[in-house]
Amino acid sequence: NAGVTQTPKFQVLKTGQSMTLQCAQDMNHEYMSWYRQDPGMGLRLIHYSVGAGITDQGEVPNGYNVSRSTTEDFPLRLLSAAPSQTSVYFCASSTFGSNQPQHFGDGTRLSIL
Amino acid sequence: KQEVTQIPAALSVPEGENLVLNCSFTDSAIYNLQWFRQDPGKGLTSLLLIQSSQREQTSGRLNASLDKSSGRSTLYIAASQPGDSATYLCAVSSGSQAGTALIFGKGTTLSVSS
Repeated sequence: NAGVTQTPKFQVLKTGQSMTLQCAQDMNHEYMSWYRQDPGMGLRLIHYSVGAGITDQGEVPNGYNVSRSTTEDFPLRLLSAAPSQTSVYFCASSTFGSNQPQHFGDGTRLSIL
Repeated sequence: KQEVTQIPAALSVPEGENLVLNCSFTDSAIYNLQWFRQDPGKGLTSLLLIQSSQREQTSGRLNASLDKSSGRSTLYIAASQPGDSATYLCAVSSGSQAGTALIFGKGTTLSVSS
């Protein structure tokens, strides 16, 4: 099983550029989410989705955009990259239920120059 | 606002020692608490999940307990090994739907020397 797949693994951007971080899961999970991990800050929720066509904001949504057209895919878009968005980004998925763990991808390491 | 704190931030022990990692949270209204392991440059691996109605979960040398009323959880690692060296993250789920948004602690970085 592939689980949660994130691409690319590494990316360097210049300030003002846009890009899309890809996330795909093959477990038919309804819930998908994006986190960013920064030194000293822990993981913080950016956006999440409870199903195709439904998205909502997390703790730190500014500068990011998401959509969920299929159950499998949940891309994260940086509209105009800023140095403050340099971080490691993780995608996670799960099915609903208090006994269901969340599954994480290996992350995308993004540097904004 | 839910806040999760992990103590200590770092821990170094010799191989074979039993150890306890601590996690505390401010709002007892949670669906579950999860412990994750993160190796350098890698993603998060779920170790144990404790539902709010449970008191503990065990997997091999790992045992996690939950005291929801006091807002505390502990992860007990028995007979530690160098391969246990990693960062351990505690996270609580207290979103509007069960099993959704996680609030993370900043982690405890464990180093086990041989």
